Amino acid sequence: EAEVAQSPRYKITEKSQAVAFWCDPISGHATLYWYRQILGQGPELLVQFQDESVVDDSQLPKDRFSAERLKGVDSTLKIQPAELGDSAMYLCASNAWGTGAYEQYFGPGTRLTVT
Amino acid sequence: RKEVEQDPGPFNVPEGATVAFNCTYSNSASQSFFWYRQDCRKEPKLLMSVYSSGNEDGRFTAQLNRASQYISLLIRDSKLSDSATYLCVVNNMDSNYQLIWGAGTKLIIKP
Repeated sequence: EAEVAQSPRYKITEKSQAVAFWCDPISGHATLYWYRQILGQGPELLVQFQDESVVDDSQLPKDRFSAERLKGVDSTLKIQPAELGDSAMYLCASNAWGTGAYEQYFGPGTRLTVT
Repeated sequence: RKEVEQDPGPFNVPEGATVAFNCTYSNSASQSFFWYRQDCRKEPKLLMSVYSSGNEDGRFTAQLNRASQYISLLIRDSKLSDSATYLCVVNNMDSNYQLIWGAGTKLIIKP
């Protein structure tokens, strides 16, 4: 069964440092999402890509967060500098755009702890 | 008012019992509905898509009530392994293939 890959699975960093997360969506899925999830809450969309283009980054804190999907396949989310409040699970999901199906499939996530 | 609302629980249910929880959504134009399951510190996994006629998958039954704008999930003969958080999800009618997520209902099955 095709899966979304993410790395690293866990990351501990000190505040003011830079961190980066990587995601490889299910093969053929044109749409890729980055979410942040805080314990006890639902996932919060940070950025959505359609192929290599950003569809929605309205909830991305652009002063410190950046995301790219240069070749329209895998993607990187970066935080610089990290703050204590960034501690959360960062989830990547993908979807088969254009099929009329809204289901999204998630990778295992990266659990970030900022100290 | 949140766009998707769920009772956070926890629902503490004895093994073998039937449990049901609802989720309400605010946008009457929403057309796609889902239940996702999320285990502690894991990623959400699609449990069921919810069709207008309702659908069943083994011990799980999902129903949609458009008039009252809620969807429900029924779990029969609950197992210890059903313990998880169940997330209610609807599509965002602004399109772009976005989903709107509830905060989840925590279910604990006790032996």
